[in-house]
Amino acid sequence: AQSVTQPDIHITVSEGASLELRCNYSYGATPYLFWYVQSPGQGLQLLLKYFSGDTLVQGIKGFEAEFKRSQSSFNLRKPSVHWSDAAEYFCAVGAPGTYKYIFGTGTRLKVLA
Amino acid sequence: DAGVIQSPRHEVTEMGQEVTLRCKPISGHDYLFWYRQTMMRGLELLIYFNNNVPIDDSGMPEDRFSAKMPNASFSTLKIQPSEPRDSAVYFCASSLSGQANEKLFFGSGTQLSVL
Repeated sequence: AQSVTQPDIHITVSEGASLELRCNYSYGATPYLFWYVQSPGQGLQLLLKYFSGDTLVQGIKGFEAEFKRSQSSFNLRKPSVHWSDAAEYFCAVGAPGTYKYIFGTGTRLKVLA
Repeated sequence: DAGVIQSPRHEVTEMGQEVTLRCKPISGHDYLFWYRQTMMRGLELLIYFNNNVPIDDSGMPEDRFSAKMPNASFSTLKIQPSEPRDSAVYFCASSLSGQANEKLFFGSGTQLSVL
């Protein structure tokens, strides 16, 4: 069965520091991979997605993610975090040929001034 | 477009009462999804519709939950009777094709508290 694991429930970084949020998935083939961000009191917003091709994908707000097939990972990165990046981040897997999305449990990011 | 619109933003009710959550998807989106978000279980898909028809309701927790989509611009999720364990944030989302490679557009959610 497909699953998504985000091992870090909470992460705290200082403003200006680099960020990496981890995501591991379990799926028989390469799924569609997504990162969404949820700001307080808001719905989820798509940051970036990967289907195929270049394993390093760029998203909005300066985020990027790298797909590593050998590690079944799709980690999200940002070189320099801004205070406005404080939010909850969700990794998601989509099963090709279906409507099914599986979301991870999320990582809550806190940014220190 | 205003995006996916959900109402109310917050709902506080007492156990045993009926609760109705509302959603207006983005115009032209043929697929509508209801999700529930809790600390324990994260985001769970409850049900989804294609062209106003419920396609998969296997995520609906029990018979107390029901969802309808009477037309392309409106859907409801009803809980009757409500219980404290139903307390959660309920999200509605819509998409064009409903395929798993497509972006989901989420509403801002309804925070439900059942006392």
